[in-house]
Formats: sequence, C-alpha cells, structure tokens
Amino acid sequence: DTGVSQDPRHKITKRGQNVTFRCDPISEHNRLYWYRQTLGQGPEFLTYFQNEAQLEKSRLLSDRFSAERPKGSFSTLEIQRTEQGDSAMYLCASSEGLAGVYNEQFFGPGTRLTVL
Amino acid sequence: AQSVTQPDIHITVSEGASLELRCNYSYGATPYLFWYVQSPGQGLQLLLKYFSGDTLVQGIKGFEAEFKRSQSSFNLRKPSVHWSDAAEYFCAVWTTGRRALTFGSGTRLQVQP
Repeated sequence: DTGVSQDPRHKITKRGQNVTFRCDPISEHNRLYWYRQTLGQGPEFLTYFQNEAQLEKSRLLSDRFSAERPKGSFSTLEIQRTEQGDSAMYLCASSEGLAGVYNEQFFGPGTRLTVL
Repeated sequence: AQSVTQPDIHITVSEGASLELRCNYSYGATPYLFWYVQSPGQGLQLLLKYFSGDTLVQGIKGFEAEFKRSQSSFNLRKPSVHWSDAAEYFCAVWTTGRRALTFGSGTRLQVQP
C-alpha cells in the first residue's frame, strides 16, 4: 500500500534549532496539504499545494515556516528558529483531482515535534 | 467563516451501547461536512461526508450521520459500539475560500467492556 508517508515520525529539538519534515503523498495525487494539530485540538490548516504551486497559506504559517513541493511530488515543511509553541503534530494529506472538496483527503500518520 | 463545534470533549459508552457524537456547524449556505476518526499512531480516516441530497449519510464501520439544517447539526451515530471504536472523532467543514478543511476540537470516545 502506498498511502501518505511522513518522516520522521517523531522529532525532539532544542529551542532555536531548525527542523525539516518530509511528506510523500499518494502517487499521482496533485493536491498536498499541511495541517498542525496541538494537544486536545483538531488539525488546523497551514498550507496547500496544487502540484508544485503553493496556493494558500494560513496566518498560522509565520515567517519561520516554509513549505516546498519542488517537483509536485514530495513536500518539505521547514521550521526555523523553533519555539516551544511549535510543539505539535504536523499532518500531511493528499488528494487527487482539481475539485477540492469532492476529492477525499488521505492523511499521513504525522510528525510529532517536541521543542525543549 | 465556516466553523464546527464539538460540545463533548470526552464520552464513555459501554460496548454494545449506541453512540451519538454531536457536531454543530456555522455557515450560511449548505455546508460540506465530514467526520474523521483518529486512532493512536494512525492517520485521520474519513468515516463519511455530506454534500447534498439525502440528509442521512452512511459511512464506513457502521457509522451514519444526519444533517439537520434547522439545528445546524451533523451528529454521528452508531447503533452498537465495539471496543475497536475507541478513538478520537473529528467533525470538519470544507472552508470554501481556503479550499481546505476546518476541524472541530474533537471528541474522545472511550469504550467500556
């Protein structure tokens, strides 16, 4: 099965360090989403890509956050100068097609970030 | 802006009992509504969705949900809960302008033997 995969599954870092997460979507899915989920909350939208184009960014995505999807396949999410408030589960999802709501989003298992 | 509220943070039911998880939405037009389940170590899995038409929607794993416009609700139900249903359940609405999902804060379901 080639579901959505994320790497690493867990990351512990010290405040001020940079971290990078990777997401591999389901093959041929042209939409890719990043969400953040803090403890006791539902996922919150961060950004999404249509192929390699980043089409939408949430206000949650501060200047310290950057996401890329260089070839329209895998995506990376980098957080610079991490803060303790960045501690959360970072979820990636992908979907096929262009119609947005009509195409199911398939979620990966997430990367849990702990900032000490 | 579209939003969903899940009033119950935590629910405990006995195995074999019926289940209803509440979800209220805020949106002027007909919303696109979803229920997802999240088990520990697993990704979010779509249980069911409502776009239009029949207000009673059937999903996977024996779940169903009913869209009630008059109550702005989309409650999830299951007639007989199994121990494997213990998980966190999220209601979500499609946010048209953002073209992404907006999730509620979730309801954690515990199943007693």
